[in-house]
Amino acid sequence: QSALTQPRSVSGSPGQSVTISCTGTSSDVGGYNYVSWYQQHPGKAPKLMIYDVSKRPSGVPDRFSGSKSGNAASLTISGLQAEDEADYYCCSYAGSYTWVFGGGTKLTVL
Amino acid sequence: EVQLLESGGGLVQPGGSLRLSCAASGFTFSNFVMSWVRQAPGKGLEWVSAISGSGGSTYYADSVKGRFTISRDNSKNTLYLQMNSLRAEDAAVYYCAKLPATATTFDYWGQGTRVTDSS
Repeated sequence: QSALTQPRSVSGSPGQSVTISCTGTSSDVGGYNYVSWYQQHPGKAPKLMIYDVSKRPSGVPDRFSGSKSGNAASLTISGLQAEDEADYYCCSYAGSYTWVFGGGTKLTVL
Repeated sequence: EVQLLESGGGLVQPGGSLRLSCAASGFTFSNFVMSWVRQAPGKGLEWVSAISGSGGSTYYADSVKGRFTISRDNSKNTLYLQMNSLRAEDAAVYYCAKLPATATTFDYWGQGTRVTDSS
């Protein structure tokens, strides 16, 4: 149950696009199409942004998109807005009703 | 509207015990897998435990196996986490999370309850 690997920080200017990577193994990211992404503002609970690799829950802007290739997944945020500044966590199902999270990425909107 | 309200957090000494609760509303509680996820101060999220809708199946992270027990009372729409033999590294905000029917993600989260190490 080792944590998934994410960059500690990424940044971009308003209107730009940023991509956050999430690397796991064949036992988690590579083994299942069940990668999800969560946004967390300081002092708040995580919010689901992407599930099942690329699906968006109702109410999440289509500026947020997800993809996966092999043991790596990614979250892309296009048309960056100030309110996108937050921590982002990836998560993968790892079999037998267990899950593993990434270490988190701090997104700064310049 | 789905609502999850955690309670029971507090100050604990190493070796102590604590029971967390999560009161659920806005959905048919017994139909869904529920889970606990924690976040140590300044750290990332860590999945802790999950339980089937009936309560008959439970699952744990290696870091808490044998010390924590997840349970639920479907008549009270409440999820629990009994934490025993607590360690300093168990200090965290504990979130209750609901899984959707597919049980592939965590679609709703509570606001969390804080467990603090007293040492």
